[in-house]
Amino acid sequence: EAQVTQNPRYLITVTGKKLTVTCSQNMNHEYMSWYRQDPGLGLRQIYYSMNVEVTDKGDVPEGYKVSRKEKRNFPLILESPSPNQTSLYFCASSPYRQLPAYGYTFGSGTRLTVV
Amino acid sequence: TQLLEQSPQFLSIQEGENLTVYCNSSSVFSSLQWYRQEPGEGPVLLVTVVTGGEVKKLKRLTFQFGDARKDSSLHITAAQPGDTGLYLCAAVTDSWGKFQFGAGTQVVVTP
Repeated sequence: EAQVTQNPRYLITVTGKKLTVTCSQNMNHEYMSWYRQDPGLGLRQIYYSMNVEVTDKGDVPEGYKVSRKEKRNFPLILESPSPNQTSLYFCASSPYRQLPAYGYTFGSGTRLTVV
Repeated sequence: TQLLEQSPQFLSIQEGENLTVYCNSSSVFSSLQWYRQEPGEGPVLLVTVVTGGEVKKLKRLTFQFGDARKDSSLHITAAQPGDTGLYLCAAVTDSWGKFQFGAGTQVVVTP
């Protein structure tokens, strides 16, 4: 089944403790992206990647890192999480050249709470 | 900066009623997409509109792209409880692939 898999689904952590949210897709998509979703603010793009080793900042990149060493994986790293990073996070992928027409396939989300 | 403005933010209607959701911008887009998101899940693509003035139908859902390609609407006829969800519009907003979403319209259809 074609899908985007995120792990974990739920995570509670403490301020300052480094964490990684994994994202993997099995559709051979070039384009991958991370979003956070907050009430009233909608989905905001954190980082995106147009292909292996090519990443760029979205609208809210502060406090996050990403890497794209393989086409299928696009992990999101929080080096020193803070409470304002408590949010619902989504990973998404698409064939790059076809993003405007094809759209995204989203993962099921990771609900992160930083205390 | 929210390039895509959606209205209303929230809509609660009875089963069988019609509703319209709007997505507006001052920018021109080459295409625009509509997604529906259910609680606990990621958004799912409903449709992509490409041509100014284009109308697409998906069962009881009708999507329209404005003539100037700056706005779009989603109309649901005879809404059913299964139409309940968060409706999001989205578009590519620069040539490098930055993709933005509107804040969404929460639709609740009660039996």
